[in-house]
Formats: sequence, structure tokens, C-alpha cells
Amino acid sequence: SQQGEEDPQALSIQEGENATMNCSYKTSINNLQWYRQNSGRGLVHLILIRSNEREKHSGRLRVTLDTSKKSSSLLITASRAADTASYFCATVPLSGSRLTFGEGTQLTVNP
Amino acid sequence: DTEVTQTPKHLVMGMTNKKSLKCEQHMGHRAMYWYKQKAKKPPELMFVYSYEKLSINESVPSRFSPECPNSSLLNLHLHALQPEDSALYLCASSQADLGAGWNEQFFGPGTRLTVL
Repeated sequence: SQQGEEDPQALSIQEGENATMNCSYKTSINNLQWYRQNSGRGLVHLILIRSNEREKHSGRLRVTLDTSKKSSSLLITASRAADTASYFCATVPLSGSRLTFGEGTQLTVNP
Repeated sequence: DTEVTQTPKHLVMGMTNKKSLKCEQHMGHRAMYWYKQKAKKPPELMFVYSYEKLSINESVPSRFSPECPNSSLLNLHLHALQPEDSALYLCASSQADLGAGWNEQFFGPGTRLTVL
């Protein structure tokens, strides 16, 4: 099964609203990363959060990590139509170096 | 230059053809990756090169053959593919100092492969 599982699978909101996506994982990690993918294109790295960090910000993005619950969340504030994309969490385990992606959340921001 | 380039953008090939996908980066990254992505699915790791040496092969069939000629280039040679190999093939690169998967990865736009 996938190391990371995202919730919800799909999210539709209006411009200006906040979007929250959650990711759960199974094994201990070195770090967790969030990526965005516009339809049929390559992935763009958003944020990397290490296992000893609890929260990181980048512009309108806020990522939290709770290692006791093995979960992370990505918050996009004041969403824009251009934020419409698939968002993937990806984890790197403590015992290895492979980046394993979750199933992703499809975010649609309606103008 | 923070770009990873991939050629071709699209490729249609028959099951008896031999073709190659190419990937290039000039960010000085010493780790490079091939991923396969089916529609509406996450990318799946195929191969990892670290300092031009193959470090991870995720049990990929031998009809896929990677090659890393130098620190900037990564190729994926294709031979006798099956229709189920049709997918988006993504190349990525990253710093390799902490371990190939421990840093942010920069992705190319991908090659959309169709096998007839």
C-alpha cells in the first residue's frame, strides 16, 4: 500500500477560500514533502518538512507535521483559480532514501 | 538554471520499436531519477542514479534500460514495450549530499509515451 494517503481525494472550493489537504503515512520518516502537479505536467516542489519540525510556511502555504499521529496537512490560504492542480504528499523513510508519493488530492478552485 | 528538460514531449511507438527518452539538468545535481506515472495516479519510482551510478532499480522490467552518460544527462532506453507501458515518464534531479531522496526534487515536464 502507499506510504502516504491523502484526504480528501478531491476538493472543490471558491476563489478566496482556504483549502486544507491531509496526508497520513505508516512508517517513521526522515522528511515529508508536498508537490503540486498541473494537469499532465511535471511536479513542482512546494515544501519539505523534516521530522523534527512541526510547522513550515511558504507564502500562502502552511504545512504541519505530527509525527506522533503520522500525519501532515497542507493549508492553502486565499486560494486562486491558478491553484487548481493535484497535490501530492511524499515521504522519505528513516531507513531508506526513496521518495514515495501518496495518492494525491485534486483541488479545483472555482473563479 | 533551475530547469529539468525532457525530450521528446510525446512519443508513439510500436511494440517492436527501440526508442530513447532524454533528460538534462544543469543545476549541478548528482542524483537523477526516472518515474512512471499513469493517469490519475501518483508517480512511481523506477530508477535512481547517484553520482552517475545506478543506486536503486525498483524491479523494473528489462525492456526499460537506464543510462547516465554524465552528471547532467539521463537516458531511458525503451525496447519491446507493451501497451500497458503507456504512461507519463518523468525525470527528476536533486542534491545527493544527504542521500538521494532526502532533498527536494526538481521535475521535468515529462514524456507522454503511447505504445501501440
